[in-house]
Amino acid sequence: NAGVMQNPRHLVRRRGQEARLRCSPMKGHSHVYWYRQLPEEGLKFMVYLQKENIIDESGMPKERFSAEFPKEGPSILRIQQVVRGDSAAYFCASSPPGGGLGYTFGSGTRLTVV
Amino acid sequence: GEDVEQSLFLSVREGDSSVINCTYTDSSSTYLYWYKQEPGAGLQLLTYIFSNMDMKQDQRLTVLLNKKDKHLSLRIADTQTGDSAIYFCAESDYGGSQGNLIFGKGTKLSVKP
Repeated sequence: NAGVMQNPRHLVRRRGQEARLRCSPMKGHSHVYWYRQLPEEGLKFMVYLQKENIIDESGMPKERFSAEFPKEGPSILRIQQVVRGDSAAYFCASSPPGGGLGYTFGSGTRLTVV
Repeated sequence: GEDVEQSLFLSVREGDSSVINCTYTDSSSTYLYWYKQEPGAGLQLLTYIFSNMDMKQDQRLTVLLNKKDKHLSLRIADTQTGDSAIYFCAESDYGGSQGNLIFGKGTKLSVKP
C-alpha cells in the first residue's frame, strides 16, 4: 500500500510562470489536505478537500492559488504567476473517510522560484 | 488566534534523555500530536494524546500533557543519533480529519555521539 505520493519532488519555476503540484492520496483515503512550509517555519494549513469538493480553504491566499481534487486523478495545487515568496515546501496529507487520528503526509514538493 | 510555541533547538548526547516542550493557546484542543521530520522528508506521526489524558507512553517515547497550563512535552529515552530530526507539536479540535492541524515551528534535535 503506497503512501501519499507527491510529484514532482523538486520544482523550479521562473517568476511569472505557473506551478502545478500533484498529490495522490493513500488508497482508500478520500480527504486531502495541503500545507505550506516556509523556510525555518512550521507547516501552515492551506486547504482541505474531498472528492470534487473544497471543504475548507481558509488558509489559501486569495489570489493566484487554487486547488482541486477531481473525481478521477490526483489532487492539484496550482499557483499562477509565481513570485519568489512562493518558494517553500508544499506538503499534502490524506486521511480516510469518517475520521482517523492524524494524517499521513507525503514527502512534499519543494518549489523554488528564481 | 490559535498558536503553538516550541523552542527551536535542543542538543543532547547519545544515550541521554531528550525533552521537547510545547505550549498551545487553544483551550478547545482535543488532540495533540508529535510529528518527526527528517531532512528532505515529509512528516511522520510519532504519537498523539487525547486532551482527557495526562500521560502516554510508547516504547522510548513519553508524552506528558498539562491541560491547565496548556503544556505538552515529548520525552525520548536513550536518545540515538537516528533521532536527530525536527520535531513538530500540533493540535486540532477534531480527530485530525475534520479540521486542520495547527503546527509549532518545530524543535531541531541534534544528538551528539
